[in-house]
Amino acid sequence: DTGVSQDPRHKITKRGQNVTFRCDPISEHNRLYWYRQTLGQGPEFLTYFQNEAQLEKSRLLSDRFSAERPKGSFSTLEIQRTEQGDSAMYLCASSPGRGLSSYNEQFFGPGTRLTVL
Amino acid sequence: AQRVTQPEKLLSVFKGAPVELKCNYSYSGSPELFWYVQYSRQRLQLLLRHISRESIKGFTADLNKGETSFHLKKPFAQEEDSAMYYCALRASTGFQKLVFGTGTRLLVSP
Repeated sequence: DTGVSQDPRHKITKRGQNVTFRCDPISEHNRLYWYRQTLGQGPEFLTYFQNEAQLEKSRLLSDRFSAERPKGSFSTLEIQRTEQGDSAMYLCASSPGRGLSSYNEQFFGPGTRLTVL
Repeated sequence: AQRVTQPEKLLSVFKGAPVELKCNYSYSGSPELFWYVQYSRQRLQLLLRHISRESIKGFTADLNKGETSFHLKKPFAQEEDSAMYYCALRASTGFQKLVFGTGTRLLVSP
């Protein structure tokens, strides 16, 4: 499978614990995005990387959230001191980052479902 | 601020009936509009984008700037069209994020 991959697919944790998710984009995609989706809602943008540079951050990304893409390839999203309100599906997407931005389709991964007890 | 509204949570039709999934947006600039689809147990995938003016799987969508709408239409629904459909907007000013609506579940019955 050459699509976007995410690990783990499911994570159950207790309130107050830290969790880290990994996203591997499609090879040679320069742009990487994180979204969060809660029940009954569409995906909500969290942050965006162009290579290793984090260029956009949503106000949803509180100081408990941190995302990295150290070598411009895979990315990690860490949530510290998890709260029950963090329970959601965390989606990663990537896009080529070249050519006309209008054709910069975002390809989504399967998501990581986080449950905070 | 950018906002996408999909007024219907569920749209239920019979096979062969026409389908229209509504999408309205709010944005002061000139947006790019997309329809994404998520079939059961599959990941979110792009269905079509307004700039391409294409028909995918029999679906079309026309951007109406006067009514700020981007409704998705298909003249004859098929059972395999049953899925969750999300309308999304991207600002044309260089930002990359997509703003999604809350989605409409389309159920096509035989």
